[in-house]
Amino acid sequence: GDSVTQMEGPVTLSEEAFLTINCTYTATGYPSLFWYVQYPGEGLQLLLKATKADDKGSNKGFEATYRKETTSFHLEKGSVQVSDSAVYFCALSPRSSASKIIFGSGTRLSIRP
Amino acid sequence: KAGVTQTPRYLIKTRGQQVTLSCSPISGHRSVSWYQQTPGQGLQFLFEYFSETQRNKGNFPGRFSGRQFSNSRSEMNVSTLELGDSALYLCASSAGTGTYEQYFGPGTRLTVT
Repeated sequence: GDSVTQMEGPVTLSEEAFLTINCTYTATGYPSLFWYVQYPGEGLQLLLKATKADDKGSNKGFEATYRKETTSFHLEKGSVQVSDSAVYFCALSPRSSASKIIFGSGTRLSIRP
Repeated sequence: KAGVTQTPRYLIKTRGQQVTLSCSPISGHRSVSWYQQTPGQGLQFLFEYFSETQRNKGNFPGRFSGRQFSNSRSEMNVSTLELGDSALYLCASSAGTGTYEQYFGPGTRLTVT
C-alpha cells in the first residue's frame, strides 16, 4: 500500500543552520505531496505542497521539490530560526483516494538560540 | 474566514463509555475528514464525509463512527471506549474537489481512564 517514510528525529540545530528533513514515498501513480507542521499543543498546519513531478512547493523560507525518479520530497530551509521548532510531517494524498492523507511518522525539530 | 473548530478541546472518559466529538469546517467546505493521532501509531485516517455521505474509510473498528449534517458540520462517535482510544482526534476540512488540500482544526484530546 501507499506509505511515507521520513527521517527519524529529534533533529537539533543551531539558529541560522541549514535544514534538511528527508522524505520518501511509495505510491501508485502520481500522488500529491505535502509537508505539514505541528506546533506544541496545536493541530496541523499545511506548510507547502506539490501536485506533480518537478513541482517545487515553498512557504516561509521552506522548500521541497517533487522528485518522481527518486520518489522523494525532502524539506529544506536555508537558515532556521528558534520559531521553527515544531514537528514536521511529510504526507501524500493518493490520486485514487485524494481525500485520504497518509502521513509519515513526523520529525521533531528543535532549534537552539 | 474562520478556521476549523473542534469541540470539546479536552475530554476525560472512563472505559466502556461512549463519546461524541464535534467539528465545524471552514465555511463553504463540504468535506470533513477525521484522524487519530497517538505517539505509537502516529496519524491515522479514520473516515471522510462529503455532502452527508461517508466517502472514504480507514481501518478502524466499527466502534468508530461518524456523520455529517446538511450544514457540513460533522460528529465522530466512539462507543465502548478502550484505554487505547486515548489520543488526539483531528478534524480536517476541504472543498472536496481538486487537490483536496485539507485544513486542520486544533484537535480534541481524549483521555480514557
